[in-house]
Amino acid sequence: GAGVSQSPSNKVTEKGKDVELRCDPISGHTALYWYRQSLGQGLEFLIYFQGNSAPDKSGLPSDRFSAERTGGSVSTLTIQRTQQEDSAVYLCASSLADGQPQHFGDGTRLSIL
Amino acid sequence: DAKTTQPNSMESNEEEPVHLPCNHSTISGTDYIHWYRQLPSQGPEYVIHGLTSNVNNRMASLAIAEDRKSSTLILHRATLRDAAVYYCIRSNRKLIWGLGTSLAVNP
Repeated sequence: GAGVSQSPSNKVTEKGKDVELRCDPISGHTALYWYRQSLGQGLEFLIYFQGNSAPDKSGLPSDRFSAERTGGSVSTLTIQRTQQEDSAVYLCASSLADGQPQHFGDGTRLSIL
Repeated sequence: DAKTTQPNSMESNEEEPVHLPCNHSTISGTDYIHWYRQLPSQGPEYVIHGLTSNVNNRMASLAIAEDRKSSTLILHRATLRDAAVYYCIRSNRKLIWGLGTSLAVNP
């Protein structure tokens, strides 16, 4: 069966531009998570969606970051006015429900020039 | 601090057992212990999780100390494909990730 799919796999953009990263979770998974991973570091939590509940945005580093999850499925992470420190791998994960093991995509490698 | 403590790196020989330790001395009674592993250029992969009792699955075994302040991931026979960074994590939602243990497997 299909796993978590993320697109694009790589994105290079200029400082100041906006970027959109997409995540297709596993069908039927109600929980969806976004993380980012800088080189040689562990994962940093960004945002969490669970069903129709209000998302947990406590990990978003600034108001330039936002995310949506439409129809309880696909999610988009948007970074406005990108900065060089936003360069990282952005990982999406989904799980059957809160507290269940998370299944990860292979991430989007974002490079800000 | 919700992070766990793991050795930075470990080494094993192929087909030998590997014991990966983790300390989580401030764990609460309802926190699960999760293990994930990450191969280069890939997203993390779930390995195993548990609360109080030891757990086994097709990938590994998880031994949890009686006081729950530490746990050990056991790979019964290491293969070259097991070379990865192994993360031990408390709880599940908003996984708080440390740097993990980089496991090298020698042929």
